[in-house]
Amino acid sequence: KNEVEQSPQNLTAQEGEFITINCSYSVGISALHWLQQHPGGGIVSLFMLSSGKKKHGRLIATINIQEKHSSLHITASHPRDSAVYICAPRGDGLTFGKGTHLIIQP
Amino acid sequence: DTGVSQNPRHKITKRGQNVTFRCDPISEHNRLYWYRQTLGQGPEFLTYFQNEAQLEKSRLLSDRFSAERPKGSFSTLEIQRTEQGDSAMYLCASSLGADSTDTQYFGPGTRLTVL
Repeated sequence: KNEVEQSPQNLTAQEGEFITINCSYSVGISALHWLQQHPGGGIVSLFMLSSGKKKHGRLIATINIQEKHSSLHITASHPRDSAVYICAPRGDGLTFGKGTHLIIQP
Repeated sequence: DTGVSQNPRHKITKRGQNVTFRCDPISEHNRLYWYRQTLGQGPEFLTYFQNEAQLEKSRLLSDRFSAERPKGSFSTLEIQRTEQGDSAMYLCASSLGADSTDTQYFGPGTRLTVL
């Protein structure tokens, strides 16, 4: 059983829509990583957060440590946001979710 | 480009052969991680180093796998007697300090295909 659950697994939306990706985890963690993986495999770190909320451009990440839940939001989505978004709660290593495949159509 | 490089980017080998991958982390980063990712799955943790010390190994890392970071800089991951199930993307990441909240920076990966 995967200790990290992401939802939805797949999401197709129209350009401009507000996107929410959810991550629930069962492991005890010190922080949580949101990663973006483009076609071809390159992984980019978006956020590392241990509490509250972080914002970078059109991306917002929130975490509730007590509820073991985090969300990634994308405002004014754009086709270049199309990628796989992976949640990775930190323990001693990294436990990864399977990712959310996001497609933003023009 | 995150500053973490991996070589080779692609490796095709025959079953039973040995392969070695290299990861060069960002120069001042103390921690170095190896992950494996199969098609359609998220990355899986394999092992990590704090400087030259290998601090943790996943149970996914069978006896055929060995990793080293001899001088606390670059790292190598060797797979002996490769099997078709070893086909995957092997990812390396590095982070600055010992704090487990440090952001990890990922390399482009080495895609291994075992025929």
